[in-house]
Amino acid sequence: AQSVAQPEDQVNVAEGNPLTVKCTYSVSGNPYLFWYVQYPNRGLQFLLKYITGDNLVKGSYGFEAEFNKSQTSFHLKKPSALVSDSALYFCAVRETDGGTASKLTFGTGTRLQVTL
Amino acid sequence: NAGVMQNPRHLVRRRGQEARLRCSPMKGHSHVYWYRQLPEEGLKFMVYLQKENIIDESGMPKERFSAEFPKEGPSILRIQQVVRGDSAAYFCASSPSGARNTIYFGEGSWLTVV
Repeated sequence: AQSVAQPEDQVNVAEGNPLTVKCTYSVSGNPYLFWYVQYPNRGLQFLLKYITGDNLVKGSYGFEAEFNKSQTSFHLKKPSALVSDSALYFCAVRETDGGTASKLTFGTGTRLQVTL
Repeated sequence: NAGVMQNPRHLVRRRGQEARLRCSPMKGHSHVYWYRQLPEEGLKFMVYLQKENIIDESGMPKERFSAEFPKEGPSILRIQQVVRGDSAAYFCASSPSGARNTIYFGEGSWLTVV
């Protein structure tokens, strides 16, 4: 069974500093990995995904994520945080089985707090 | 291209009533997913459907909950005889066929059971 771990409930960073939100995954086959962001009382917005190819994936709003197969990690990063980045971030994995799609399995979420 | 449309956005039901949540997927999307989010918690998978077919219902409670995605019209998540513990945000998502495709989420339906 596929699973995702987000070890930090909350990450605090000062505006202008780099940020990292951690994610590790477990799947039996090849993983498709996703990051989503959720603002209060809103749905999830897609940020980026890793399917194959370059391990560094660039996404929306200046976010990027690095796929590391040996460490089974897919950490979300941004070089310079903004106060408006403060939100709840979810990592998710989608397991594939011969190309057959499956559901997304989410981590428990990490609350990012960016302060001035 | 409109996004995933959910309605109602907010729904209040008394204990014992039925709740019906509707989801229209993005244009061209044939796969629909339902997730539940309890306050201050993550998203729990409920069910995955294609048109007229349930693909994976491993997250659906055994009783009172059902889902459908008919050939015509929106997907419906139905909760019968609601209890206070059903109070949550219910999110629908959709995608085209193919595992590489992004799954897009709606804005959610907030159910409050009083």
